Formats: sequence, C-alpha cells, structure tokens
Amino acid sequence: DAGITQSPRHKVTETGTPVTLRCHQTENHRYMYWYRQDPGHGLRLIHYSYGVKDTDKGEVSDGYSVSRSKTEDFLLTLESATSSQTSVYFCAISDSRRSNEQFFGPGTRLTVL
Amino acid sequence: AQKITQTQPGMFVQEKEAVTLDCTYDTSDPSYGLFWYKQPSSGEMIFLIYQGSYDQQNATEGRYSLNFQKARKSANLVISASQLGDSAMYFCAKSYIGGGADGLTFGKGTHLIIQP
Repeated sequence: DAGITQSPRHKVTETGTPVTLRCHQTENHRYMYWYRQDPGHGLRLIHYSYGVKDTDKGEVSDGYSVSRSKTEDFLLTLESATSSQTSVYFCAISDSRRSNEQFFGPGTRLTVL
Repeated sequence: AQKITQTQPGMFVQEKEAVTLDCTYDTSDPSYGLFWYKQPSSGEMIFLIYQGSYDQQNATEGRYSLNFQKARKSANLVISASQLGDSAMYFCAKSYIGGGADGLTFGKGTHLIIQP
C-alpha cells in the first residue's frame, strides 16, 4: 500500500470555525490532490499540487485553501466551515505526469454542525 | 466541463457471472486516461485498471478488463467470474491528459451487489 495518511480521520466541528486537514505521504510523489465525496456526486477535485508551493484549483475549490510547504505534506483548510462542507475528504498522490494511477488515502469524515 | 456518465446506479448479479459496468465520457481532449476504482463498504478507494486513449489494446488486470471504444467514448469495466467480494461501489474516472497529474473527474458510481 502507498504510504498515505490523513489526519484527523474523523472530525466534528461547528459552523464558522476554521478546520485544517492534513495529508502526509512517505512516497516522495510530486503530485498531491484533495477530493471530496458526497452521496450522488462521486468524488470531486478540490485542489491539487504539482510541487512544493505549486497548487491549483479544482472543480469545487470555493471555501477551501491549500498549502504545500514540504513534498510530503498537503494541507486543506476550511477558513470558516459551513454545513455544506460536511463530507468525506480524500487525499491522493501520483508520481509523474505520465502516472497511470492515483493512490488514495483512507479519507477524513468531516461533520459541520 | 468534463462529464463522466455511469448509467447504472445499482446492479444485482449472481456469483460467478460476468459483469459489465457502463461508463461514457465527454471530451474533446486528444489525449486522456480512463480509470476504474473500487470502493468497498470500508470506504477506501482501490485502483483497478487504467486505459490510455492512445493504447492500441484494451487493458486487462486479472479478472478485470476494460472494453474501450474510443469513437463511442465508452470505457466499460468487465469483471469476469464475479465473487462475493466484488460487492462494492465502482467509479469510472477520466484524466485530462494521459496521466492523472491534473486530477481526475469521476462518475457518480455504480453500486454492485453480488448475490450467492
């Protein structure tokens, strides 16, 4: 299994509070991604990174920011959580532009009350 | 926007039968990749198979094969000799280029249930 961990694995928070989710990899892969999964929507790309300090927006980036100061860590921040951000969040990694596989982390279940 | 369509929200199949899960996609990209992932009830995303748009042959990985019809923009997953452990959600996904570096666009999934 690819070495990807996500923390926390579960979190309950209140509307308006800031939340940071962490993705940590031990594979030294260049590319990292954050997706959210909601019933009836499959997975949707939030943000991705193609190197340290290089990030870009995905399909559903509003309300989220990311940072990558080290190859191994990719942080997803909800500046002011809303109930619509209740979801399961997956981190994924891949090792090159020609990679034919993205490895996924175990997911973080976030509930915003 | 890219669109991936999985027309079968749920399927029931008898054990040991072959299964075909449908996937069609929208694209004007000359180069792209197609992926299938399995998500069991435990929640993890498991990579199954990949097909590049310029690959001449259909991809195969053990009991999984991908029926790629480029002109029809379809990439159906075929599971031969289904097993009870194949019960799961299955997602089709597409990348913008041959690899997945710019992220994947996923379909909404098919819930497959294998019956004994």
